[in-house]
Amino acid sequence: GESVGLHLPTLSVQEGDNSIINCAYSNSASDYFIWYKQESGKGPQFIIDIRSNMDKRQGQRVTVLLNKTVKHLSLQIAATQPGDSAVYFCAEISGNTPLVFGKGTRLSVIA
Amino acid sequence: NAGVTQTPKFQVLKTGQSMTLQCAQDMNHNSMYWYRQDPGMGLRLIYYSASEGTTDKGEVPNGYNVSRLNKREFSLRLESAAPSQTSVYFCASSEMPGVAQTQYFGPGTRLLVL
Repeated sequence: GESVGLHLPTLSVQEGDNSIINCAYSNSASDYFIWYKQESGKGPQFIIDIRSNMDKRQGQRVTVLLNKTVKHLSLQIAATQPGDSAVYFCAEISGNTPLVFGKGTRLSVIA
Repeated sequence: NAGVTQTPKFQVLKTGQSMTLQCAQDMNHNSMYWYRQDPGMGLRLIYYSASEGTTDKGEVPNGYNVSRLNKREFSLRLESAAPSQTSVYFCASSEMPGVAQTQYFGPGTRLLVL
C-alpha cells in the first residue's frame, strides 16, 4: 500500500531568489522550535532555533518566523544558492518531551 | 573534535540476525538519542538517554534495545532483525540533561534487512 510521507513537498527556486519553507505544528504547548537541514546521505544539521517568546530570529542568510496564533513556522533563506539544496525539517519541543520532527520539505535550487 | 560518530556506515543483515549499532560523541554532552528515518519521512525517536545511567522509550521502541555504556557512548541493538527495520539510523546528542535542547546528529547507519 501507499506509504504516508513518501512524497515530500518540494520547493524549486532560482539561484539568487529568496526561499520560504513553511511548517505547521500541532502542539500549542510547544515552546521551542528548530530548523534542520539534511543533505543527501548525511545527518540533519542544525540551522536556527527560536523560542516561543519570540516571533522572529535572524541568522546568517536565514530568518525564522513564528506565528503562534496559527501555529505556523517559516524558514526564509535569502539569496538561495545551489548548496542550499537539501531537505529541511522543522522540529518542536514542549517542556522536556523529545523533539518531534515534521516530514520535511525538499528544496531544489535551479542554477 | 569529531562530534557524533556512528559505526558501521552500512550493514546488510538477514532476517533473524542480531547486530549492535555504535554511537559515540566527544562534545561532553549529557543526552543521547537514536532515531530511524524511512524514505520520505521525518525522524522518529526510538530510544533516548537523558543522562548517563538512564534510558527511555521513544515513539518506536519495539524490536530495539539500548545501552548507555558511559557518557560518550550509546549503542542500539537489534536482537532479531526484521525487514521492517530496514532504515537509516541516526544517533544524536545534546548538551544539557533532559531533551529540550538542540541536538547534533551523526552521519547515519544504513541498514538493509533481507
